[in-house]
Amino acid sequence: GAVVSQHPSRVICKSGTSVKIECRSLDFQATTMFWYRQFPKQSLMLMATSNEGSKATYEQGVEKDKFLINHASLTLSTLTVTSAHPEDSSFYICSAHPDRGSGWEQYFGPGTRLTVT
Amino acid sequence: GEDVEQSLFLSVREGDSSVINCTYTDSSSTYLYWYKQEPGAGLQLLTYIFSNMDMKQDQRLTVLLNKKDKHLSLRIADTQTGDSAIYFCAETQGGKLIFGQGTELSVKP
Repeated sequence: GAVVSQHPSRVICKSGTSVKIECRSLDFQATTMFWYRQFPKQSLMLMATSNEGSKATYEQGVEKDKFLINHASLTLSTLTVTSAHPEDSSFYICSAHPDRGSGWEQYFGPGTRLTVT
Repeated sequence: GEDVEQSLFLSVREGDSSVINCTYTDSSSTYLYWYKQEPGAGLQLLTYIFSNMDMKQDQRLTVLLNKKDKHLSLRIADTQTGDSAIYFCAETQGGKLIFGQGTELSVKP
């Protein structure tokens, strides 16, 4: 149980275009999901907390107009990188906290490698 | 300091025990977690410990918690080559997980 999928796993896009990444909890409901960014050999940087039915909460320094988050259902959150630039190239990972979880555990997707050319 | 801290590298021989250490910051963290990340993949939840516990054992994994020193450790018994990965500890702050920078475990045959 507690499986989270992400799609796509890899994407290459041209500078100036937008890219949408999907995060799905496959066997549990998650009112709260999280989006992280990870640079090579570094830890995870929390970008935003995604809440079903309400606006996402962005961490300091993360541009909400550039990284659009939509949490349309209890099993799906999407991250759209708008007007992507090469510096947005990174590994994006989502996670989901089960509504029936006992603590604050998060289950992670496999990540999406974004390359902007 | 303000960060969750881990040593960056650990190298052991196959069959030995590995001990990965972590110092966290928030004494009110109710749960503390250990995650494993293999190359190019997401994070896998390995185990967790509730803050009122000193120790938790789960098969080859043993977690020790010293609340006074805000020190957390993960011991892997009989380490295998398949255990080679990056291990992250995480504390909870306001419903969010705060991760350490990760310890890269290298297991030599």
